[in-house]
Amino acid sequence: DTAVSQTPKYLVTQMGNDKSIKCEQNLGHDTMYWYKQDSKKFLKIMFSYNNKELIINETVPNRFSPKSPDKAHLNLHINSLELGDSAVYFCASSQPGTGDIQYFGAGTRLSVL
Amino acid sequence: AQTVTQSQPEMSVQEAETVTLSCTYDTSESDYYLFWYKQPPSRQMILVIRQEAYKQQNATENRFSVNFQKAAKSFSLKISDSQLGDAAMYFCAYRAGSPSGGGADGLTFGKGTHLIIQP
Repeated sequence: DTAVSQTPKYLVTQMGNDKSIKCEQNLGHDTMYWYKQDSKKFLKIMFSYNNKELIINETVPNRFSPKSPDKAHLNLHINSLELGDSAVYFCASSQPGTGDIQYFGAGTRLSVL
Repeated sequence: AQTVTQSQPEMSVQEAETVTLSCTYDTSESDYYLFWYKQPPSRQMILVIRQEAYKQQNATENRFSVNFQKAAKSFSLKISDSQLGDAAMYFCAYRAGSPSGGGADGLTFGKGTHLIIQP
């Protein structure tokens, strides 16, 4: 069983569209994250949620909205997609107090045309 | 703000040889965690090794070991007996925290080092 799974793996869409990326973890972790990896491979934290509560919201356009229906899921909705949103988006999870190791999903490559 | 610097965009090593990847970081915190993650072409992020700042002993995981110099804020990764499967991007990462863990801080990553293994 995959510990942190993201769907879809690839997403190709037109500018101006709205899209969602789903993330689920079966590790029983309380904390989940979204990271963005740009074309130069640089990874940056976007959001973190602890037990369904938003903890970190880095400088991200408000077109990006995370939603956590329960602590095993953290979805990322993106409105009015722009060319600069093209990137790989990673979901991760961790459990505070157990070494703080973050486990990553396989990533979603978003291409905005 | 914390920063992580990897000064080697690319490194190349012969199979079976040893290679060291460098990482420095800047922080005003006294307690934190440091990590090395590997990203092969499959793009999966794989944890290689983790170091707690309050521990003086350097972490080791089989062929992977670190040289953690807290005063110098240096955290290098040594890969011994390099194998073809070690070829990947390697990212150094930092997370503030206490020894007991907790919180939901994200990782601060360096820009990565592309490791090439020559057969």
